[in-house]
Amino acid sequence: SAVISQKPSRDICQRGTSLTIQCQVDSQVTMMFWYRQQPGQSLTLIATANQGSEATYESGFVIDKFPISRPNLTFSTLTVSNMSPEDSSIYLCSVEEARDTEAFFGQGTRLTVV
Amino acid sequence: DAKTTQPTSMDCAEGRAANLPCNHSTISGNEYVYWYRQIHSQGPQYIIHGLKNNETNEMASLIITEDRKSSTLILPHATLRDTAVYYCIVRPTGTASKLTFGTGTRLQVTL
Repeated sequence: SAVISQKPSRDICQRGTSLTIQCQVDSQVTMMFWYRQQPGQSLTLIATANQGSEATYESGFVIDKFPISRPNLTFSTLTVSNMSPEDSSIYLCSVEEARDTEAFFGQGTRLTVV
Repeated sequence: DAKTTQPTSMDCAEGRAANLPCNHSTISGNEYVYWYRQIHSQGPQYIIHGLKNNETNEMASLIITEDRKSSTLILPHATLRDTAVYYCIVRPTGTASKLTFGTGTRLQVTL
């Protein structure tokens, strides 16, 4: 199974600033995804990170707020831009080694915006 | 994607089997049933998935009814470490499809 390293594990940020979260996988994977989990809630998919092209965003999420990069098959970043307290959540990276296989998740980044 | 319905919470005594039900009455023929769990403060963990046959691995068994409209995840000998939120997810095959997480079942394993 893929091993995922997510950094930072947690952060406290000032409103109006931006935070970039990194997701590193120990093997090449086909699919990479970014999820958000708001306090006490389930996971919501933000976007699919596409290697070499723009990410595919879910309804309610836009590139200006959550720019995503995926320069290769093992690495992706998610930036949370112009943060407000409502962005306080856990952000999780997920990967799939191939289509129709199980997904593996990182341990998440716990973000608090003050 | 088909919608799933799960009980909000369940309790199970340690050492007993935990049977977690999931209803997916609108499932299509090309949709798999996946189960994940999320232990507090951790990322979700894959448990098992199946299409129409029953499946078993080192963690659990998945029983899918013949009409595929419901399934049951079985943890044969629950331990305290199995306390978690369990998510039943229906997902189409053959596409770059996302996992849509519902609210899941909060399983509490007690002494």
